[in-house]
Amino acid sequence: EDQVTQSPEALRLQEGESSSLNCSYTVSGLRGLFWYRQDPGKGPEFLFTLYSAGEEKEKERLKATLTKKESFLHITAPKPEDSATYLCAVRSGYSSASKIIFGSGTRLSIRP
Amino acid sequence: DTGVSQDPRHKITKRGQNVTFRCDPISEHNRLYWYRQTLGQGPEFLTYFQNEAQLEKSRLLSDRFSAERPKGSFSTLEIQRTEQGDSAMYLCASSSSVAVGGENTGELFFGEGSRLTVL
Repeated sequence: EDQVTQSPEALRLQEGESSSLNCSYTVSGLRGLFWYRQDPGKGPEFLFTLYSAGEEKEKERLKATLTKKESFLHITAPKPEDSATYLCAVRSGYSSASKIIFGSGTRLSIRP
Repeated sequence: DTGVSQDPRHKITKRGQNVTFRCDPISEHNRLYWYRQTLGQGPEFLTYFQNEAQLEKSRLLSDRFSAERPKGSFSTLEIQRTEQGDSAMYLCASSSSVAVGGENTGELFFGEGSRLTVL
């Protein structure tokens, strides 16, 4: 069965302290790996899509990378406004019209 | 377009009652998804539609849950005979299967969610 596992569950960093979040996945055929950001009481907000191993995407202080078994979300010199839950999701199967499943997320807290 | 809208935003009900949630997707989006999220967990897949066709439904979903998308526009999610374990945030998302500018990111656009509390 398809599975997405994120680690750590929670991460507290000092402002400016860089780190990485991990997403490992087991799917029957990867049709896209997604990163989302979710603020309390809100729906998830799209960040990146990665399709193949070796691919990288960047946006401001965030950089997402993908291997055949896992993805990393690197955060460089984070600011307090980067505090949120970061969700990883995958679309699996052999069609672009297949479901997307999410991991349980990493709660990131940045102290000023 | 103001994005994906969900109604009601909050619903408190007594155990055994039926509840219905409505989702209005972004108008040009042909795919619509329902997820359930509890505190500290990621969104759990419930079902999704492409146009009016329900393509997949979670095996974890009991027969008390049903979803429709008549005419491929808005969607409703009904929960019959609610139980306390149904208390959660119900999220709706929409997306397009059409590539824009040569790329389809597969991005899901989420609504703000409908929070259900079953007493």
